[in-house]
Parts: sequence; structure tokens; C-alpha cells
Amino acid sequence: AQKVTQAQTEISVVEKEDVTLDCVYETRDTTYYLFWYKQPPSGELVFLIRRNSFDEQNEISGRYSWNFQKSTSSFNFTITASQVVDSAVYFCALSENKRTSGTYKYIFGTGTRLKVLA
Amino acid sequence: GAVVSQHPSWVICKSGTSVKIECRSLDFQATTMFWYRQFPKQSLMLMATSNEGSKATYEQGVEKDKFLINHASLTLSTLTVTSAHPEDSSFYICSAPGQGAYSWEIDTQYFGPGTRLTVL
Repeated sequence: AQKVTQAQTEISVVEKEDVTLDCVYETRDTTYYLFWYKQPPSGELVFLIRRNSFDEQNEISGRYSWNFQKSTSSFNFTITASQVVDSAVYFCALSENKRTSGTYKYIFGTGTRLKVLA
Repeated sequence: GAVVSQHPSWVICKSGTSVKIECRSLDFQATTMFWYRQFPKQSLMLMATSNEGSKATYEQGVEKDKFLINHASLTLSTLTVTSAHPEDSSFYICSAPGQGAYSWEIDTQYFGPGTRLTVL
């Protein structure tokens, strides 16, 4: 069965600290996608990144970076020099490799609530 | 591109009434849309897959007679919560896969802003 685990329920950091959000997944599929979404207090999910299972290159986008390691089935997300505006719930998701009506379903982790204190 | 809207953004209703939530893909067509429910401080749980022109596919444990889904056009899916009760109070989110020639485009879901339902 496919599963996404975000063991950190809540993290609090002081502004300008670096913080890493962990995501561990389980799947028997060889082809899959991994995603990170941000959900601010407004509730709307904001797409952050998509990673194909064949692409293990790490990615950096501004203060955000992602470390994908297939050997440990992890897809961790690091925010460098955190800011108060980064406060939100972050979800990691795995696409199910079984197309339903032409597209994949997502399996979400339980989310990590990040609080950045001024 | 790939914008999904929902209406209303919030609704308060009395117990026993029915509530309709709309999900629209604004700048693309969506033959498939997904409906999620999120309780406070919990993750998103997939309720059903909405298919244009055919019946929705419900996840195990979701009452299809209570949560009616209609996907009448390529840009609109509706979720009707029938005879709503306080335990149906939740945040309802829809999503639609993108369009394009590449698999990553159609395998990325774009989410609506959500509808907060409160049943008194």
C-alpha cells in the first residue's frame, strides 16, 4: 500500500532559522510523482514543487530547497532563513500510480504545521 | 493558467438543509475533478472522483447518497451535501488535473481555494 509519513506534527522556529520538513513515502511503483504543497491560514493549497521518481536531482528555488533520496524513500523540504510568512501547514503528497479516469490520485501526508516566530 | 475556483467560499446552514458547492476550472477543461474534505488540523481526505458525463467514483466510507456529485460540463463539478448535519461541518476542497502534452502536466492537480461549511 502507498503511504506518506510526515512525522513532524508541528515545528516552531525563530525567524531566520533554517528548518527542514521531513517526508517519507512508501510505494511499490517505479514511476510516481512527489509533491509539496503549502496551506496558509486562508486554507488554499499552494503548489510548491513536483518531482518525478526518475529525477533525483535536488532543487533550489530561492529560500526553498528539496532533497529527494530514493534510497531512503524521502523527499525533504528545507526553508532557509525562515520568515513569518512561511508559517503554514505543509503537505507532502505522492501520486498513486493507478490512473483513475485518466489521471492519478494523490495520497497526502498528515501535514507539518510550521510556526515561524518573529 | 490552471486556475480552479470554488463557490461559495464559506456557507453556514441549518441542520437538515442541503448545500451545493461549485468547482470550476477557469482557463482549462477538466474531464476529471477531485473532491476532498479536511477537518480541522487534519489532512485532506479524498471523498470522490468526479467524471464529466458519468457517475462519480466514491472512496470507501463516503456516502454517495449524502454527497451528490454532478459533473455536467468540462469546467464545472458540483458537490451537494444533502440533509447536512453538524458532523458534516468541514473544509471542502476540489482539484483538477492540468492539461498538456506531457504527463507531468496532467499528473499535477490544481486546487480550488476551498469552501468552509458550518452546519448549525
